[in-house]
Amino acid sequence: DTGVSQNPRHKITKRGQNVTFRCDPISEHNRLYWYRQTLGQGPEFLTYFQNEAQLEKSRLLSDRFSAERPKGSFSTLEIQRTEQGDSAMYLCASSEGQGGTIYFGEGSWLTVV
Amino acid sequence: GESVGLHLPTLSVQEGDNSIINCAYSNSASDYFIWYKQESGKGPQFIIDIRSNMDKRQGQRVTVLLNKTVKHLSLQIAATQPGDSAVYFCAVRAASGGSYIPTFGRGTSLIVHP
Repeated sequence: DTGVSQNPRHKITKRGQNVTFRCDPISEHNRLYWYRQTLGQGPEFLTYFQNEAQLEKSRLLSDRFSAERPKGSFSTLEIQRTEQGDSAMYLCASSEGQGGTIYFGEGSWLTVV
Repeated sequence: GESVGLHLPTLSVQEGDNSIINCAYSNSASDYFIWYKQESGKGPQFIIDIRSNMDKRQGQRVTVLLNKTVKHLSLQIAATQPGDSAVYFCAVRAASGGSYIPTFGRGTSLIVHP
């Protein structure tokens, strides 16, 4: 399978704990995006990388969120001190350059209890 | 910034009918438009896209129409099948500041009755 891969697919955590999600983009894609989606809403942009450089962050990305793409390949999204409002599906996507079609992974569901 | 909206939150059709899902956008600088299909519990799946230098593009059973004058696009699905039941999102991109990040609407839930 050469699509965008995300794991874990589901994560249940207690409030206050830290969680980390991993994304493996399509191999030749240099752009990687993180989105968040809550029930009944469309995906909302969080941040994106061009190779290893994080070029833009949304205002949705609070200080408790950090994303990395250390070697320009896979990326991680960490949420520290989780809150119930962080419960959502976290979507990763990738594209070949800024004009390329953006393909999404299957998402990582986070439930904070 | 860009705002993207779909005209109907839910669309119910009979199997075999044609479906039309509409989307409006606000930024006249938008130049790339994408439709995604999202099934329950899954990530958005690319269906078809269109650039602003075109007003129509066809795929397999799907057609996207773009009207830049009124900032409106539509997705037409021919001979709708039960497997088409899903939430459909339009996403709109403009190269403002060079980031080219797509903005999504809220989605239209398509329900196909057998």
